[in-house]
Amino acid sequence: QVQLQQSGPGLVKPSQTLSLTCAISGDSVSSNTVAWNWIRQSPSRGLEWLGRTYYRSKWYNDYAVSVKSRININPDTSKNQFSLQLNSVTPEDTAVYYCVREWVRSYDYWGQGTLVTVSS
Amino acid sequence: DVVMTQSPLSLPVTLGQPASISCRSSQSLVHSDGNTYLSWFQQRPGQSPRRLIYMVSNRDSGVPDRFSGSGSGTDFTLKISRVEAEDVGVYYCLQGTNWLMYTFGQGTKLEIK
Repeated sequence: QVQLQQSGPGLVKPSQTLSLTCAISGDSVSSNTVAWNWIRQSPSRGLEWLGRTYYRSKWYNDYAVSVKSRININPDTSKNQFSLQLNSVTPEDTAVYYCVREWVRSYDYWGQGTLVTVSS
Repeated sequence: DVVMTQSPLSLPVTLGQPASISCRSSQSLVHSDGNTYLSWFQQRPGQSPRRLIYMVSNRDSGVPDRFSGSGSGTDFTLKISRVEAEDVGVYYCLQGTNWLMYTFGQGTKLEIK
């Protein structure tokens, strides 16, 4: 059974960097059949895909156009986890953030969600 | 981007009665490999989304058989044969055919009358 455990602060100041980590159990971040995603949810934007990292003989990343200039998603093979960094946050980045496994073009396992509030 | 449109957005249902949610895509979801990558998710209050159905009509493990998915091309439906109290929540469809960016519908809130 795959489990995703999220960690990271729930409050970030405007202009600073949002950082979250997702620890994987029951699968490998280096698996060549899945991808590891970050999705956020807010009342104004609904469920919004942010980006993913995946391994296919080498590492790849894809990012949503809306955050492409501010986002990094990185795998950590030594800890079997992956992370999200979102720079220069504003109150519009306030949302519940989920880490999610993607397999066969769908999302089958979700983390517990982290409410991140951007406020001074 | 592929736009996913759900209806209705609010669905009051009497316990034991059937329910149906429609999801329409702005373009065909048939992939070049012949498969159609349309999924359905349930999000109970305060919980993470949970997948119910993948590739139009395949139920995930542990999902009650009162949930079923159907459709093709651009029109898809999630049906609940007899609504139970635990089915309260928001339901989303998701298209996975467009590789770079999968997109969700806006959600349908199911409540008990």
